[in-house]
Amino acid sequence: AQSVTQLGSHVSVSEGALVLLRCNYSSSVPPYLFWYVQYPNQGLQLLLKYTTGATLVKGINGFEAEFKKSETSFHLTKPSAHMSDAAEYFCAVGEGGGSQGNLIFGKGTKLSVKP
Amino acid sequence: DADVTQTPRNRITKTGKRIMLECSQTKGHDRMYWYRQDPGLGLRLIYYSFDVKDINKGEISDGYSVSRQAQAKFSLSLESAIPNQTALYFCATSAWDRGNTGELFFGEGSRLTVL
Repeated sequence: AQSVTQLGSHVSVSEGALVLLRCNYSSSVPPYLFWYVQYPNQGLQLLLKYTTGATLVKGINGFEAEFKKSETSFHLTKPSAHMSDAAEYFCAVGEGGGSQGNLIFGKGTKLSVKP
Repeated sequence: DADVTQTPRNRITKTGKRIMLECSQTKGHDRMYWYRQDPGLGLRLIYYSFDVKDINKGEISDGYSVSRQAQAKFSLSLESAIPNQTALYFCATSAWDRGNTGELFFGEGSRLTVL
């Protein structure tokens, strides 16, 4: 069965500092991996996704994530945090390889950005 | 206009009342989902539908029912609401064609409070 673990329910960084949000997954088939962002009082918006091919994936708003199969990880990074990045971030795994399964979500990491 | 529209956006009701949350989409996707979001628990899948004639239970379907009235419409019902169904509910759609790889597209959410 698939599962997703996000390390740290709350992360706080200073404006301009590196953002690192951690995500580890388990999957018995080649995974499709996603990061979503939820701003206050809004729905979830896709930040980026990994399906096949290049393991370093670039998304919107300067975020990127790297798929590391050996570490079963898909950590989200941004070199320099901005106040507008304050939100909750969700990692999700889906079944790739033609299985077309549903997405399983992690419990989320709330990012705070200090001025 | 939003691609995935949920109504109502906010609802306060009393224990024992019947409640329906409605979702409509203009993305032309076959798959539709209802998720529930609770603080610290992430998103949990209630029901999903791969087409009009296909309805499936998710992780937490007890106390809920759904109806897929058309490809574009998927409603969630609470037959007799109870306080622990107080949560933020999201409708989502997905597709596995035309470049789509199962990522979810979310509505803006329906906040339900059961007193």
